[in-house]
Amino acid sequence: KNQVEQSPQSLIILEGKNCTLQCNYTVSPFSNLRWYKQDTGRGPVSLTIMTFSENTKSNGRYTATLDADTKQSSLHITASQLSDSASYICVVSDRGSTLGRLYFGRGTQLTVWP
Amino acid sequence: EADIYQTPRYLVIGTGKKITLECSQTMGHDKMYWYQQDPGMELHLIHYSYGVNSTEKGDLSSESTVSRIRTEHFPLTLESARPSHTSQYLCATGGGYEQYFGPGTRLTVT
Repeated sequence: KNQVEQSPQSLIILEGKNCTLQCNYTVSPFSNLRWYKQDTGRGPVSLTIMTFSENTKSNGRYTATLDADTKQSSLHITASQLSDSASYICVVSDRGSTLGRLYFGRGTQLTVWP
Repeated sequence: EADIYQTPRYLVIGTGKKITLECSQTMGHDKMYWYQQDPGMELHLIHYSYGVNSTEKGDLSSESTVSRIRTEHFPLTLESARPSHTSQYLCATGGGYEQYFGPGTRLTVT
């Protein structure tokens, strides 16, 4: 069964600290993996997209890694800011741009305290 | 980046009422989607469209219906709202690998 599992479910860190969020998936065939940031009451906003051949991608203070062999991804946030408080969602696609089926994780709820 | 808009942002309505959630995008993308999301849960695809006059049901069964008469509009309609329809509804549009989400409509049916 194609699934996307994220951990931890929630995380609280102090401003300025780093953190790493995990995503494990069983989706096959694999096309790409995306990380989204969703602020409360808003729609998700894309942070990174990685295809099979990419194992790391950065977007400012966000760095995503992908191990397609073990079917694991992580999102590392450096020097956290209060505005990083949000839900971070891992999404895996099985067929790319031709309306590939998207499998959504439930997200990790990150809270950054001052 | 796509500009995608949803109205209303919040709606509280009584059981049995007919409602239409509006979604519009200005990037000319052919593909559009509707997702339903409950708090702390994953997004579920309820409808999608490849283009004008094309609509398909998604993975999650929904009593809602959609139409795609114009490329930029993809409204979702509930003929008779029920408390079980209380949820957040997210519209998205896509090009290539990317999907761009609207801000969502928070629907509460009392």
